[in-house]
Amino acid sequence: NAGVTQTPKFQVLKTGQSMTLQCAQDMNHEYMSWYRQDPGMGLRLIHYSVGAGITDQGEVPNGYNVSRSTTEDFPLRLLSAAPSQTSVYFCASSYSAPRGSGSYEQYFGPGTRLTVT
Amino acid sequence: LAKTTQPISMDSYEGQEVNITCSHNNIATNDYITWYQQFPSQGPRFIIQGYKTKVTNEVASLFIPADRKSSTLSLPRVSLSDTAVYYCLVGYNTNAGKSTFGDGTTLTVKP
Repeated sequence: NAGVTQTPKFQVLKTGQSMTLQCAQDMNHEYMSWYRQDPGMGLRLIHYSVGAGITDQGEVPNGYNVSRSTTEDFPLRLLSAAPSQTSVYFCASSYSAPRGSGSYEQYFGPGTRLTVT
Repeated sequence: LAKTTQPISMDSYEGQEVNITCSHNNIATNDYITWYQQFPSQGPRFIIQGYKTKVTNEVASLFIPADRKSSTLSLPRVSLSDTAVYYCLVGYNTNAGKSTFGDGTTLTVKP
């Protein structure tokens, strides 16, 4: 099991450029999420998905798009990069636990460090 | 979504027991409480989860009072390698994608 993998590890973009951050998991998890973490801060939820074909917005969705065509992959697209999007991006996945069990441990990837100049 | 409040930072010494408390006054009936640990330049890692009373695993204990408006993560005999940021999350499994992280508690363990 590779767990949750993210590519690239580092990326530098110029303002206005677009790119896609890749995330994949091999644990057959239904839930997947994208977070950003600014220096010295906690994680903020960008978008999430409860299964293939289903996505929804988190706390800070502006400037980002997602899609979920397969269970395994959940790419995050930056449409037109801005310096305010300089951050570390984490992808996470979790089980679809039986209702009432409360068990939804999230597994996080190693992160992508993005700098927008 | 239940908002959580934790101390910003804590200091401890090797071998001591550390207790980190999290307040979650608007926790919902179905919500579980989950704690994560994050080392620099890494993603958060699950530590422990509970609903009520006490939960213990090989690395920590979680104490939850009857009103569930707070919880305490207990780390026994910490070592330098326990220096990290600890996050408390509150949410229900079907809202896993909506779990929100606060700013966490930075624990520094000194020799």
